[in-house]
Amino acid sequence: DSGVTQTPKHLITATGQRVTLRCSPRSGDLSVYWYQQSLDQGLQFLIQYYNGEERAKGNILERFSAQQFPDLHSELNLSSLELGDSALYFCASSAAGSPGNTIYFGEGSWLTVV
Amino acid sequence: AQTVTQSQPEMSVQEAETVTLSCTYDTSENNYYLFWYKQPPSRQMILVIRQEAYKQQNATENRFSVNFQKAAKSFSLKISDSQLGDTAMYFCAFSRNNDMRFGAGTRLTVKP
Repeated sequence: DSGVTQTPKHLITATGQRVTLRCSPRSGDLSVYWYQQSLDQGLQFLIQYYNGEERAKGNILERFSAQQFPDLHSELNLSSLELGDSALYFCASSAAGSPGNTIYFGEGSWLTVV
Repeated sequence: AQTVTQSQPEMSVQEAETVTLSCTYDTSENNYYLFWYKQPPSRQMILVIRQEAYKQQNATENRFSVNFQKAAKSFSLKISDSQLGDTAMYFCAFSRNNDMRFGAGTRLTVKP
């Protein structure tokens, strides 16, 4: 158990809909990352937050948005969903100054768009 | 921007033998960290090994070791005495200032 909690674990929704994925980082971790992994693909970096502020942005679509709240949990909002958005969405966290900048992953949220 | 390249999409190895997975990266930075993560069929991302760029000594974790060549920007993973449970996708990753980027992965199959 990495200590990073993601909900829901599985989600099925229709095209055009909007969903919210939630992440609770490890206790004390200030950084939260979101990654997308499509079937048999690598990890695509979406966005990083550090202590409530956006730190880095990757290949995140305009239909997607995220935020990190004062209690450090984070949410990834996916709207106007398309079939191609079906993927495993990972949240990860790290502590500032953590050994080797190591990030720890949650178990992921499986999103299926039908 | 940092890039990470894993040139072997798939590899296989016989149980109990040794296999080496390759990874190269591109950066102009001097201080950074390198990682190998394992993703078994469960899709959980598991940290295998970590290397600090300022350390010349290669990291080792039980049957897993790395060959870190800083000048060549190469970071390969050696798995000794391969076990069936080592079957997984392996991702190489580069990190600096908590910004971590991954390679495309190598799918390793350990055959009985």
